[in-house]
Amino acid sequence: AQSVTQLDSQVPVFEEAPVELRCNYSSSVSVYLFWYVQYPNQGLQLLLKYLSGSTLVKSINGFEAEFNKSQTSFHLRKPSVHISDTAEYFCAVSDRLGGADGLTFGKGTHLIIQP
Amino acid sequence: EAGVAQSPRYKIIEKRQSVAFWCNPISGHATLYWYQQILGQGPKLLIQFQNNGVVDDSQLPKDRFSAERLKGVDSTLKIQPAKLEDSAVYLCASSLDRSTEAFFGQGTRLTVV
Repeated sequence: AQSVTQLDSQVPVFEEAPVELRCNYSSSVSVYLFWYVQYPNQGLQLLLKYLSGSTLVKSINGFEAEFNKSQTSFHLRKPSVHISDTAEYFCAVSDRLGGADGLTFGKGTHLIIQP
Repeated sequence: EAGVAQSPRYKIIEKRQSVAFWCNPISGHATLYWYQQILGQGPKLLIQFQNNGVVDDSQLPKDRFSAERLKGVDSTLKIQPAKLEDSAVYLCASSLDRSTEAFFGQGTRLTVV
């Protein structure tokens, strides 16, 4: 069985400040890790994923996440946030290599950007 | 490229009534997923189709929920009879196959009163 813990349900941060959204997982087998973003009134979108290789993965809009096997974490970071980053962020884990097979989601973290 | 279409966007029903949701995946996508997202929680997989066959329905409450994808394209999810705890957003997603990125629709928000 696998599970995901997102410790923070809500993270307020000022515009242009750095942010870290925490994600810890548990799994008895190999894992593949994902971050999804849900903007207001929109569907979930894949932000970035770790499947293998380099433990640091990056998105096109400045987010990055690092897979840390010893700490079973996959925290999401951005050095400088923008108002448009306001959204709900979901961490997910799967034990099957693929896009959405067998995904287990965390409860989500609401990122609130304050001007 | 058109995205995953879902209807209706919102639905309010009384408990013990029945309801159906419809999903039209991206053209050519063989894999289709239905997720339930209860307020304050992450999405939970209800059922997964590969073409018109069921791959995983282990978390589908089969006494009241049913889903079909008869021609391997559109899909419907039905709840009969609905309970208060079924209030949630029902998300449909599709992917080209089981190893590629899934694209999500905007969801149907169900309120059971």
